Amino acid sequence: AQKVTQAQTEISVVEKEDVTLDCVYETRDTTYYLFWYKQPPSGELVFLIRRNSFDEQNEISGRYSWNFQKSTSSFNFTITASQVVDSAVYFCALSRETSGSRLTFGEGTQLTVNP
Amino acid sequence: EPEVTQTPSHQVTQMGQEVILRCVPISNHLYFYWYRQILGQKVEFLVSFYNNEISEKSEIFDDQFSVERPDGSNFTLKIRSTKLEDSAMYFCASSERGASGNTIYFGEGSWLTVV
Repeated sequence: AQKVTQAQTEISVVEKEDVTLDCVYETRDTTYYLFWYKQPPSGELVFLIRRNSFDEQNEISGRYSWNFQKSTSSFNFTITASQVVDSAVYFCALSRETSGSRLTFGEGTQLTVNP
Repeated sequence: EPEVTQTPSHQVTQMGQEVILRCVPISNHLYFYWYRQILGQKVEFLVSFYNNEISEKSEIFDDQFSVERPDGSNFTLKIRSTKLEDSAMYFCASSERGASGNTIYFGEGSWLTVV
């Protein structure tokens, strides 16, 4: 069975602070995919990133960066110089390698960025 | 940019009534999904659909639920005899086949309130 744990239920920061959202996963598969989705107050789920388990290179996209550590089964997400618009619930998710596989979501982390 | 569209955005229904939620997946996608999110909780997989049949379903997806692709563009979720605990946001999603088939794109959701 697959499992995703996001231990941080809520995080509150002041604008321009850096913030890291933690994600730990469990799977018996040797190959799998990891994801982050953003859910702003309006409710939609916005895809942020997909990472294959055999690619452990960290990734940066603007103010966003992701740290994948297979040895600790973690896929953490850092927002640099946070902004009020970053306020949302962020979900980490895991899927099997096969196309069409279901996503297993974590509980989500509510990030509030205060001005 | 292509997107998954869902209707209605919000529906209120009486307990015991039948509800149909509609979705138009991204046009070149072959995998279709329904997920559910009870208020304040994580996103849960309901069902996946490929090649005109259910490819996987969760324990939540019991006989009360059914899915259908009535034509070349729509994908529907029918909930029979709704219960109070069916109140949730229902997300439709789709993905491609192949190497990118694991990236699942979500619609904006249909908020169902059962009274």
